[in-house]
Amino acid sequence: GENVEQHPSTLSVQEGDSAVIKCTYSDSASNYFPWYKQELGKGPQLIIDIRSNVGEKKDQRIAVTLNKTAKHFSLHITETQPEDSAVYFCAASKSGTYKYIFGTGTRLKVLA
Amino acid sequence: EAGVTQSPTHLIKTRGQQATLRCSPISGHTSVYWYQQALGLGLQFLLWYDEGEERNRGNFPPRFSGRQFPNYSSELNVNALELEDSALYLCASSHSGKNYGYTFGSGTRLTVV
Repeated sequence: GENVEQHPSTLSVQEGDSAVIKCTYSDSASNYFPWYKQELGKGPQLIIDIRSNVGEKKDQRIAVTLNKTAKHFSLHITETQPEDSAVYFCAASKSGTYKYIFGTGTRLKVLA
Repeated sequence: EAGVTQSPTHLIKTRGQQATLRCSPISGHTSVYWYQQALGLGLQFLLWYDEGEERNRGNFPPRFSGRQFPNYSSELNVNALELEDSALYLCASSHSGKNYGYTFGSGTRLTVV
């Protein structure tokens, strides 16, 4: 069945360092890959997304890379700040279904 | 622009009772999605409504049901509550026919005792 694996489950980095979160999807028909940030007591917030016709996308300190052949995609956060501390979820979706298959989340802690 | 709003914020029910959760999408969005986020788990797809119709359903028993009203707001009903139904229930909305850029609400925390 459809599945998205996400690693690591927890990640601690020093302020200013980079953080990388990796996801692997099973359905080769997936063509849309969003990343969400969830802070305590709040709903997930879309922070960046990528479609299958693009290999990389960047928005300031955040970037996402996609390897369709390996069915891997990754979130890269550079120059991390304490406010980046949250739970991050990756997801995969394909046209026509409109549902997202989410990974199990990564708890990122940025240590000041 | 108002975001996706959900009510109530918290709900406590007894096992066997029914729970009703409500969601108002962003103005202009006609698709509403419901997800369950159990403690320590990722988000599990429950239901998708678009233009008043149920379009897709996740792997949940029939006691999870819902509907979408003419103003595109939505209601999720959970009958015969079980302890394992305790979770954060999230609603998201998007433009019809667009599978990208869901906007989530803050959720309803349902506790079954």
